[in-house]
Amino acid sequence: DAGVIQSPRHEVTEMGQEVTLRCKPISGHDYLFWYRQTMMRGLELLIYFNNNVPIDDSGMPEDRFSAKMPNASFSTLKIQPSEPRDSAVYFCASSFGGAQETQYFGPGTRLLVL
Amino acid sequence: GENVEQHPSTLSVQEGDSAVIKCTYSDSASNYFPWYKQELGKRPQLIIDIRSNVGEKKDQRIAVTLNKTAKHFSLHITETQPEDSAVYFCAASVGGYQKVTFGTGTKLQVIP
Repeated sequence: DAGVIQSPRHEVTEMGQEVTLRCKPISGHDYLFWYRQTMMRGLELLIYFNNNVPIDDSGMPEDRFSAKMPNASFSTLKIQPSEPRDSAVYFCASSFGGAQETQYFGPGTRLLVL
Repeated sequence: GENVEQHPSTLSVQEGDSAVIKCTYSDSASNYFPWYKQELGKRPQLIIDIRSNVGEKKDQRIAVTLNKTAKHFSLHITETQPEDSAVYFCAASVGGYQKVTFGTGTKLQVIP
């Protein structure tokens, strides 16, 4: 397996633009997690899915953020409109069995909002 | 919610020496404690984890200890090597809740 795949790896956009981050989890994994990493706040859980269903989105900063998982092989995290404070590295991770099993992280998307 | 504190924030050791990173957690119901290693510009990767039914776990040069009474756990790396240089994150999770709360990270530098 190629591991968790994320795209794009880098994204530079201007304030107000829509940003869509993509993730392909490891085949067979039933949990998918979206994290944001910044120097100030560290690694924060934004939302997680179980069997494609969003379970807890309490970490999503505000309504500008949304996430979907239309099938077991694909998830998106969308920011609309983007703001400079959204600049961060966004990681997707997947696991089989939940957060208390090994989470495999993707390479991350480095987002810069100008 | 769970709060995880991690110390020190930076740590420099000479190659061959030991390194110890300490974490405390707030929720006494936490029962799973993973450690992740993140090399510069790379993704976090699980290096070892411990569950609350054991007090210590070892894997080659890495060991983790857990003190549930004091609500703290530690990562021990022996015979450090330059490739151990990275940021290490501790984390804690409460059973039944699919969330892992991460510490703020320790940047370990192993000096050759």
